[in-house]
Amino acid sequence: GAGVSQSPRYKVAKRGQDVALRCDPISGHVSLFWYQQALGQGPEFLTYFQNEAQLDKSGLPSDRFFAERPEGSVSTLKIQRTQQEDSAVYLCASSLTIQGHQPQHFGDGTRLSIL
Amino acid sequence: DQQVKQNSPSLSVQEGRISILNCDYTNSMFDYFLWYKKYPAEGPTFLISISSIKDKNEDGRFTVFLNKSAKHLSLHIVPSQPGDSAVYFCAASATGNQFYFGTGTSLTVIP
Repeated sequence: GAGVSQSPRYKVAKRGQDVALRCDPISGHVSLFWYQQALGQGPEFLTYFQNEAQLDKSGLPSDRFFAERPEGSVSTLKIQRTQQEDSAVYLCASSLTIQGHQPQHFGDGTRLSIL
Repeated sequence: DQQVKQNSPSLSVQEGRISILNCDYTNSMFDYFLWYKKYPAEGPTFLISISSIKDKNEDGRFTVFLNKSAKHLSLHIVPSQPGDSAVYFCAASATGNQFYFGTGTSLTVIP
């Protein structure tokens, strides 16, 4: 497919478990972003990669959240010792370049539910 | 502190009429603005954008207006169609990297 792909689409975990969410950006897109969207809210920025470099992680809510993009393509968002407040939709987006302004293209998200 | 605000959670419009969705922002450093459309269980889909050097951008039935002095932008859809029923998010950026989103406006176009 040509779009941003996220997996799994749904994830249910017990409080305290670790989870890993995957994002396949559009091929050739340099920039990759992770967002968290709570119910009834807009997406909130978590972190940003330019190729394999994580240039901004100011939105990560705690040190339990960790993101990587080791080869500059696929990215994984990991949440350790999950808590109920981590329940949300996690969106990944990619954009073509870092030159000028580019729209971000979103995947369909992973809906995470922590029991 | 919400830097981008959409004060109308919902809007209903008759098919064929104009839909006007509004967005306000507080950060004067924002220079790129976008509108996204979102259907349930899907990710946001890019609709239209505008740079701060312009005050209007048009794409088919969709027009975005930017009033920098008022820190306000709006999305006009004309004529509105039932398929336009979705949640619309505005977003803004100063750096091109971190985007700030509003809370969304749910548009219902009544046939």
